[in-house]
Amino acid sequence: DVKVTQSSRYLVKRTGEKVFLECVQDMDHENMFWYRQDPGLGLRLIYFSYDVKMKEKGDIPEGYSVSREKKERFSLILESASTNQTSMYLCASSPPQDTGELFFGEGSRLTVL
Amino acid sequence: GQNIDQPTEMTATEGAIVQINCTYQTSGFNGLFWYQQHAGEAPTFLSYNVLDGLEEKGRFSSFLSRSKGYSYLLLKELQMKDSASYLCAVMDSNYQLIWGAGTKLIIKP
Repeated sequence: DVKVTQSSRYLVKRTGEKVFLECVQDMDHENMFWYRQDPGLGLRLIYFSYDVKMKEKGDIPEGYSVSREKKERFSLILESASTNQTSMYLCASSPPQDTGELFFGEGSRLTVL
Repeated sequence: GQNIDQPTEMTATEGAIVQINCTYQTSGFNGLFWYQQHAGEAPTFLSYNVLDGLEEKGRFSSFLSRSKGYSYLLLKELQMKDSASYLCAVMDSNYQLIWGAGTKLIIKP
């Protein structure tokens, strides 16, 4: 069964803390994505990567960075967490063809106090 | 700007049929996607339309009219497990997905 695994389902952090969200996929997919999901809004793309060591900014990259050292792993980093980054974070992967069929992880619900 | 519109919430009865609409205005078009998301879970892919017309997949069908910027997801023989949010997304000319806010579907017995 194909799988995208996010390291933490729930996290509570304090303002100013550094936060790491890890995502691993076992489908050998080239493409990986980080989204945030907030009530009343569509999924918003933070960063994406089409290959190892490659990263591209999405629609809302401010306050975030990413790392893709290995094909299967895509990490989202909040250098200094703020309360407006309280959200559900979804990682997704897809094969190289631009089909738009994404495979999502279960999500990481981050609360910043 | 790019925009995807879908109703916020809909209610339907078990065993009935429901149609969830999605209208879009995007920079180019490379396909429209429907995803299902149960509360607290990951979105899962349901359907993909790139040509006009109806695509049927079991109890679920998806329709597209590119000239009208319009799609709908049709769910037949509704079951309680169909209670979920349904997300509409359009792939634009840059092959980026633009997402609607989702429609929460409530099924009543």
